[in-house]
Amino acid sequence: QKEVEQDPGPLSVPEGAIVSLNCTYSNSAFQYFMWYRQYSRKGPELLMYTYSSGNKEDGRFTAQVDKSSKYISLFIRDSQPSDSATYLCAMSVSSASKIIFGSGTRLSIRP
Amino acid sequence: DGGITQSPKYLFRKEGQNVTLSCEQNLNHDAMYWYRQDPGQGLRLIYYSQIVNDFQKGDIAEGYSVSREKKESFPLTVTSAQKNPTAFYLCASSIRGEETQYFGPGTRLLVL
Repeated sequence: QKEVEQDPGPLSVPEGAIVSLNCTYSNSAFQYFMWYRQYSRKGPELLMYTYSSGNKEDGRFTAQVDKSSKYISLFIRDSQPSDSATYLCAMSVSSASKIIFGSGTRLSIRP
Repeated sequence: DGGITQSPKYLFRKEGQNVTLSCEQNLNHDAMYWYRQDPGQGLRLIYYSQIVNDFQKGDIAEGYSVSREKKESFPLTVTSAQKNPTAFYLCASSIRGEETQYFGPGTRLLVL
């Protein structure tokens, strides 16, 4: 079993829809959770970062962590065609430890 | 304009050849990393370095080598021992002790 599982998609939704992207993990020691966005043939860019449980909001993006279920989510409101990309979840036990990445979910927003 | 640069954007390797991928950062970050990305797989750590003149193997170091002679630079050599080198290679950096990493634009390596 992989430490971090992420549905590869592709996920296709119409413009303006709310998008939900998810990851599950097996290591209960993970405390730092990140979401990266990667456009085709580009490097990933950090989108959201959360520590421990709870929600964090940044504009149209909300990151949610449920440590009891070992489940993290990224919600995108009012989705735009420019949100079309691959979204990678990532997590680590501590600031000094290795980051474990999910395999990424390909998202396509239809105009 | 701070950031991480990688060159070249595309690189072609012939059988038995060693090739070197460049990674430079002007973010004053202590830590630097090399990842390999294959289709449908997450990023896999090849090597990382927390300080100059020191580096550690990641999960898939075989067939690769690195050096860290300067804080700004962390080149990766793909040796002839790496039998399946075709992949997208990503360099990243971070402030030492912080978990968030910042990535360069990547180098796509193809085998002729």
